[in-house]
Amino acid sequence: QKEVEQDPGPLSVPEGAIVSLNCTYSNSAFQYFMWYRQYSRKGPELLMYTYSSGNKEDGRFTAQVDKSSKYISLFIRDSQPSDSATYLCAMSALAGGTSYGKLTFGQGTILTVHP
Amino acid sequence: NAGVTQTPKFQVLKTGQSMTLQCAQDMNHEYMSWYRQDPGMGLRLIHYSVGAGITDQGEVPNGYNVSRSTTEDFPLRLLSAAPSQTSVYFCASSRLTTSYNSPLHFGNGTRLTVT
Repeated sequence: QKEVEQDPGPLSVPEGAIVSLNCTYSNSAFQYFMWYRQYSRKGPELLMYTYSSGNKEDGRFTAQVDKSSKYISLFIRDSQPSDSATYLCAMSALAGGTSYGKLTFGQGTILTVHP
Repeated sequence: NAGVTQTPKFQVLKTGQSMTLQCAQDMNHEYMSWYRQDPGMGLRLIHYSVGAGITDQGEVPNGYNVSRSTTEDFPLRLLSAAPSQTSVYFCASSRLTTSYNSPLHFGNGTRLTVT
């Protein structure tokens, strides 16, 4: 069983829809949770970063962490065609740059938002 | 504003050939790493470095060598390419800090095919 599971999709939604992307994990030591966005033929870029449980909002994006259920989500409101990308969750037990030898990624979910 | 630069963008090798994937960053980041990305597998860490002269293995190091002689450069060497090494390779760098505001910066990848 993988430490981090993410439904690869693909997910196709109409413009303006609310999108929900999810990851589950098995390692209870994970405390730092990230979402990366990857456009086609590009490298991933950090979208959201949260620590421990709770919600974090940034514009149209909301990240949720439920450590008791070992479940994290990314919600995209009023989705746009420019949101079409692969979304990867990532998590670690340690903070910042010292953690990156132990950063675990999900498989990525391919999202298409059509006009 | 170059960030992380990877060369070449594409490469085709025959089984048994050797090559070096280049990675350079101009952000003075201490931490540098190599990932491979395969369908359904997400990003998997190959090797990483926390500074010049210091390297360590990640999740999938076999068949790959690295060295770090300068802060800026972190080349990845394939000594004898195998078809199983067909993948997209990403280099990433970060400041080495416990702050969670030090995200990974990725290059745009090298697409390698081994026939």
